[in-house]
Amino acid sequence: EPEVTQTPSHQVTQMGQEVILRCVPISNHLYFYWYRQILGQKVEFLVSFYNNEISEKSEIFDDQFSVERPDGSNFTLKIRSTKLEDSAMYFCGGWVNTEAFFGQGTRLTVV
Amino acid sequence: QKEVEQNSGPLSVPEGAIASLNCTYSDRVSQSFFWYRQYSGKSPELIMSIYSNGDKEDGRFTAQLNKASQYVSLLIRDSQPSDSATYLCAVMAAGNKLTFGGGTRVLVKP
Repeated sequence: EPEVTQTPSHQVTQMGQEVILRCVPISNHLYFYWYRQILGQKVEFLVSFYNNEISEKSEIFDDQFSVERPDGSNFTLKIRSTKLEDSAMYFCGGWVNTEAFFGQGTRLTVV
Repeated sequence: QKEVEQNSGPLSVPEGAIASLNCTYSDRVSQSFFWYRQYSGKSPELIMSIYSNGDKEDGRFTAQLNKASQYVSLLIRDSQPSDSATYLCAVMAAGNKLTFGGGTRVLVKP
């Protein structure tokens, strides 16, 4: 299975702070995405990123969120002014041929 | 609203038996269908993908797709305790966005 690496594995942050979640996606692929899963709920699409631009985003992905590929390899999700309800597992991933793979996730806890 | 529905379970099966999981979806233009396994606190792990009506087998797993009935299923043969997990059905319509079901929790009892 293609490897997607996410850091950190667990992030605890104070409400109102900004967090940056990092992902090293599948090498040489251009199409990546972020999903999240609130504890006990469904995995939800946040945003997809193709060729260094956002290709699609969900209604969850509002102005609080942003994505970047700052150095051509890392892929980041920034959450500004975190809220308690942002606590979730965040998964980064990419498509290989016609199959979608995920990293191990970052557990974000907002206190 | 595009929906993917699964029975939440738990589905309890004895070791060595067949586990049968079902998934229905609402978007008729859905093209690609996936089954993921998710252990508690971990990320989804791809088990199977299926794109055409009929059956697709991979080891102990068989996925079945019926687009007319908007139904996809997963059979796990010779269930092992290590198969105890939540199984997520995911559907892709237009674009590359996956819509996930809520998952079915499977418990395999030795």
